[in-house]
Amino acid sequence: QVQLVESGGGLVKPGGSLRLSCAASGFSFSDYYMSWIRQAPGKGLEWVSYISSIAGAKYYADSVKGRFTISRDNAKNSVHLQMNSLRAEDTAVYYCVRYIVEPPAARLDFWGQGTLVTVSS
Amino acid sequence: SYELTQPPSVSVSPGQTASITCSGDKLGDTYASWFQQKSGQSPVLVIYQNRERPSGIPERFSGSNSGNTATLTISGTQTMDEADYYCQAWDSSTAGFGGGTKLTVL
Repeated sequence: QVQLVESGGGLVKPGGSLRLSCAASGFSFSDYYMSWIRQAPGKGLEWVSYISSIAGAKYYADSVKGRFTISRDNAKNSVHLQMNSLRAEDTAVYYCVRYIVEPPAARLDFWGQGTLVTVSS
Repeated sequence: SYELTQPPSVSVSPGQTASITCSGDKLGDTYASWFQQKSGQSPVLVIYQNRERPSGIPERFSGSNSGNTATLTISGTQTMDEADYYCQAWDSSTAGFGGGTKLTVL
């Protein structure tokens, strides 16, 4: 069955860095786009970034552009989110999400359990 | 990204029909998805491409999208449907989410 397991979250000071990882299993990872979506405590969902299947295309929300970098390793079935210059407003649960892009039925179809990032001094 | 607006809360009695709306400029010109998030859990896709249900999602969940409004309809609402619901749409390779609607079944 499809599994997405995030790791790497934790407490970091403002201005610091953190690298999130997502281990995928149960599907042909290299055939799928992948995305990161976050949810601040008690708040709604916010899309962060996505990466194409062979990493040729990467897109970011304006709120993280220039600070976050998404990458993937298809040999290891993993996707990563390097987060630099972290701010208090980046505090959230970060979800790894599988993204099916076949038009017209593009959809974020499977979500991991999430990893909590807390930015605080 | 898409600016999508949802009502903060909707209440429904068990067995009745719940409708949750999602408004955005010319939303009907694109495709909307809906996610269910129960307390303490990860979101689950319940509707995509406006009205398609993923495998395993009950038939009581349905969707529509026209003009500036997408609607998630839950027929014969059950207590297990109590959750937060989020709409989502893509705009120029970026995704937008609605603010979420808390569905209370009482």
